[in-house]
Amino acid sequence: DQQVKQNSPSLSVQEGRISILNCDYTNSMFDYFLWYKKYPAEGPTFLISISSIKDKNEDGRFTVFLNKSAKHLSLHIVPSQPGDSAVYFCAASAYSGAGSYQLTFGKGTKLSVIP
Amino acid sequence: NAGVTQTPKFRVLKTGQSMTLLCAQDMNHEYMYWYRQDPGMGLRLIHYSVGEGTTAKGEVPDGYNVSRLKKQNFLLGLESAAPSQTSVYFCASTRSGIYNEQFFGPGTRLTVL
Repeated sequence: DQQVKQNSPSLSVQEGRISILNCDYTNSMFDYFLWYKKYPAEGPTFLISISSIKDKNEDGRFTVFLNKSAKHLSLHIVPSQPGDSAVYFCAASAYSGAGSYQLTFGKGTKLSVIP
Repeated sequence: NAGVTQTPKFRVLKTGQSMTLLCAQDMNHEYMYWYRQDPGMGLRLIHYSVGEGTTAKGEVPDGYNVSRLKKQNFLLGLESAAPSQTSVYFCASTRSGIYNEQFFGPGTRLTVL
């Protein structure tokens, strides 16, 4: 059973417009959420995160919104640039015992920004 | 400062062969992780370590073993490779704590024939 779901495998957006990537989760124990960006043949790189006590976090062109009651988060990229074309993974963190926190990843959304 | 490095980058094995993947980090991180990524799937946790000399099972540990003899290194072993273990393997590390921003290596692409 998938605990973190990214229901859109792909998304195409015109350069300069807004990209909105969505993520839903089912586990109420998740208390920290992250977005990772991945280019082909590279490892994922951290993009932005949000704690469960907040509903918004902004970093430059990237904003993450969290709706705890709906168990939903979204990543907004404004304005979108061709270099943003990549696979975006949503991840959620929960305590797993022995002082360790584990990440559960969604399947990813491939964003294509068209010049 | 190399961050997280993985050796090798590519490997082809025959069914039944064994191999070890090496992960090294130079950030003095306590926690290290091994994931696998399959087409159309997210990253799935194989094993992890919360410190030197400790290891624990993740979501998909079967067929793999790990060791963390030194803080900076985390080894992933396949004793008898199977075609189902064909995947891209990523290592990651992080400081301890809830704000679990993990730093990933570039990956190892493994094919088992």
